[in-house]
Amino acid sequence: EAQVTQNPRYLITVTGKKLTVTCSQNMNHEYMSWYRQDPGLGLRQIYYSMNVEVTDKGDVPEGYKVSRKEKRNFPLILESPSPNQTSLYFCASSLEGPGHTDTQYFGPGTRLTVL
Amino acid sequence: ELKVEQNPLFLSMQEGKNYTIYCNYSTTSDRLYWYRQDPGKSLESLFVLLSNGAVKQEGRLMASLDTKARLSTLHITAAVHDLSATYFCAGVPGAGGTSYGKLTFGQGTILTVHP
Repeated sequence: EAQVTQNPRYLITVTGKKLTVTCSQNMNHEYMSWYRQDPGLGLRQIYYSMNVEVTDKGDVPEGYKVSRKEKRNFPLILESPSPNQTSLYFCASSLEGPGHTDTQYFGPGTRLTVL
Repeated sequence: ELKVEQNPLFLSMQEGKNYTIYCNYSTTSDRLYWYRQDPGKSLESLFVLLSNGAVKQEGRLMASLDTKARLSTLHITAAVHDLSATYFCAGVPGAGGTSYGKLTFGQGTILTVHP
């Protein structure tokens, strides 16, 4: 089954404790992206990757890191999480990216709480 | 920088009625997407609109794009309860191939359809 998977689905952590949210897709997609969803703000893009080794900032990259060493994986790293990073996070992938007309497939989401 | 604004943000409809959700964007964008999100779920792609005058229809939903007015609409015909969800529009900044990786979302419209 074609899908985007994220782990963990739920995470409660404390300020300053490094964490990684994994994202994996099995559709051989070039493009992957991370978003955060907050009430009243819609989704905001954190980072995206057009292909392996090529990543770029979205609208809200501060406090986050990403890496794309393999096509299928795009982990989101919070080196020193803070309470304002409490949010619902979605990973998405598509064949070439939103500028090329193809459909994005979203993961199930990761609900992160930073105390 | 592309800004995307939806209205209304909340929409309560009776079954059988028609209504329109509006999506205005601030600068040039030649790709406009519509997504649906059910409560507690991930996002699902509805429509991709690629050019001025584009119209797409699926069941009771019809989306259109007017790039000159920087406006996309999502029209709901004879609403049914199953259409209750949050609807997002999203745009790609620029035109002609620039910023292909970025995607900017509107705030979302929470649609509730009552019997």
